[in-house]
Amino acid sequence: SQTIHQWPATLVQPVGSPLSLECTVEGTSNPNLYWYRQAAGRGLQLLFYSVGIGQISSEVPQNLSASRPQDRQFILSSKKLLLSDSGFYLCAWKPGDFNTQYFGPGTRLTVL
Amino acid sequence: QQQVKQSPQSLIVQKGGISIINCAYENTAFDYFPWYQQFPGKGPALLIAIRPDVSEKKEGRFTISFNKSAKQFSLHIMDSQPGDSATYFCAVSKAAGNKLTFGGGTRVLVKP
Repeated sequence: SQTIHQWPATLVQPVGSPLSLECTVEGTSNPNLYWYRQAAGRGLQLLFYSVGIGQISSEVPQNLSASRPQDRQFILSSKKLLLSDSGFYLCAWKPGDFNTQYFGPGTRLTVL
Repeated sequence: QQQVKQSPQSLIVQKGGISIINCAYENTAFDYFPWYQQFPGKGPALLIAIRPDVSEKKEGRFTISFNKSAKQFSLHIMDSQPGDSATYFCAVSKAAGNKLTFGGGTRVLVKP
């Protein structure tokens, strides 16, 4: 069966510091991968998605970036965090031929 | 442009009652309509999904009703339980599409 992991689970970072969040999927190959952000009490905002290694599509211009160095690894980064980057970051995956996305447990990021 | 409009934003129902959440979409090219359930601090989980070739799909106490001509679909939670208290998101996707577009979410509280 497939499993999706995210780490860290929680993170508190000062403004201006760098960020690296990691997502990995087990039990599947060549998945589509997604990064979402969810502000407190709000909906899901798609940030990036990837259909293959090195292929990244950006949905929202901002100070975040994403990379996919391996087939089942998706990384969300920032060089300098802003207060507005605080939120709940969710990674998701889907099989290439199907529509259903499966979400990871999320990372709670607080920027102070 | 908001592609999926979800209502209500919040809902309070007594234990044993029926919770009804509605979503409306604009693009007739959408052909996959899932509902996700999210508990606080957790990632969303797929609850139930429907395609436009059927008008209703039932899984346990959860039912999706789909009205293709009106471009609307709804989630009905029968015999609502306190454990159903969560935020529910509808979503839409095109055939073989890579992205899901989510509604704004509905926070459901089931009172014992």
